[in-house]
Amino acid sequence: DADVTQTPRNRITKTGKRIMLECSQTKGHDRMYWYRQDPGLGLRLIYYSFDVKDINKGEISDGYSVSRQAQAKFSLSLESAIPNQTALYFCATSDRTAPAYNEQFFGPGTRLTVL
Amino acid sequence: GQQLNQSPQSMFIQEGEDVSMNCTSSSIFNTWLWYKQDPGEGPVLLIALYKAGELTSNGRLTAQFGTTRKDSFLNISASIPSDVGIYFCATFTGTASKLTFGTGTRLQVTL
Repeated sequence: DADVTQTPRNRITKTGKRIMLECSQTKGHDRMYWYRQDPGLGLRLIYYSFDVKDINKGEISDGYSVSRQAQAKFSLSLESAIPNQTALYFCATSDRTAPAYNEQFFGPGTRLTVL
Repeated sequence: GQQLNQSPQSMFIQEGEDVSMNCTSSSIFNTWLWYKQDPGEGPVLLIALYKAGELTSNGRLTAQFGTTRKDSFLNISASIPSDVGIYFCATFTGTASKLTFGTGTRLQVTL
């Protein structure tokens, strides 16, 4: 079984719709992250959480919100989707202990298309 | 934000050839990570470097921490078809272990 799972894997939606992407992990890690990937831009950090009560903005948080429902679950929401949010979205986890916290484990990604 | 530039952007090589790619920045960093992303998958960590000048190998892969601490290099020897994918460098910028990724090098291997 995959350690980091994301649902859905693919989603097509329309401008203005609310969308939630979900991430679950069985690695027992405290830290979770959401990234988006665009061609030629690598991965950019949207939000991250170091434990259930901790939420932090990343590089490109505008237009997104997150919820850390439990240690194992971290969801990303687009309140009103727009076409330039079309991208590949990745969830990742890491352990709190050094140097392991340097290693982030990624889910398989969610491909989101906003029409 | 901090930019990590990778070159080349893409490369087409024949099976068996050696590959070199690099990652440069305008700032000094204490850690360099190299990830590989297979088509349709998330990135997977290949090698982590923690000190200037460090050279670390993982099978056919070798990564080196540049002496200026502003760059890093990844070499793949005797490439095989499963080496196909996008290779990303990454490092920690700012506080709280925020990982910043490079722009990626796309590798294609022909038989």
